[in-house]
Amino acid sequence: GESVGLHLPTLSVQEGDNSIINCAYSNSASDYFIWYKQESGKGPQFIIDIRSNMDKRQGQRVTVLLNKTVKHLSLQIAATQPGDSAVYFCAENTGNQGGKLIFGQGTELSVKP
Amino acid sequence: GAVVSQHPSRVICKSGTSVKIECRSLDFQATTMFWYRQFPKQSLMLMATSNEGSKATYEQGVEKDKFLINHASLTLSTLTVTSAHPEDSSFYICSARAYRKNNSPLHFGNGTRLTVT
Repeated sequence: GESVGLHLPTLSVQEGDNSIINCAYSNSASDYFIWYKQESGKGPQFIIDIRSNMDKRQGQRVTVLLNKTVKHLSLQIAATQPGDSAVYFCAENTGNQGGKLIFGQGTELSVKP
Repeated sequence: GAVVSQHPSRVICKSGTSVKIECRSLDFQATTMFWYRQFPKQSLMLMATSNEGSKATYEQGVEKDKFLINHASLTLSTLTVTSAHPEDSSFYICSARAYRKNNSPLHFGNGTRLTVT
């Protein structure tokens, strides 16, 4: 199966601080990107998405930035809370592959109270 | 809305037996469902794309005779791990996308933890 990388980097932040999670995607033809949050023992949960014709999108406490030039995606979480502790994955969708999503390496976010 | 239910959540089986995992879209129709496998501390790896009424499409390196996929209706896909061995122990997760919405999020089930003894 396809996957991007086998490592799981970690990010530790203090409660109340802002978090920035980065992701490098692989396919320049990808046209749709999603950030997912995965808590231990559960399936991924949708956070926010962005299409390739945009470079920024904001949600509640979260912002996704897309830089197609360097194939980079970031997720910013404002005022990080203990409940934000989880593994965060970016996923890319290449439209000509039947809509399948390929997941990035993931980042484990740990929020210290 | 957009709930995907996966069953069972945990299963322990003996080596050589087969295990069936069900994935249902509860409140929407899903022409396509996807099956992923995840090992501890790793990312989700796409195994196959399940298409309603037709054969599944498997990713490179995934044995189609070992991981049988059936997508009999717009709300149900099943994954059967045949002749399971300890190395098949993993977290299996299904996902679905609403009918004809290719550029929309996949909705995930809560996964099935398979342990083969």
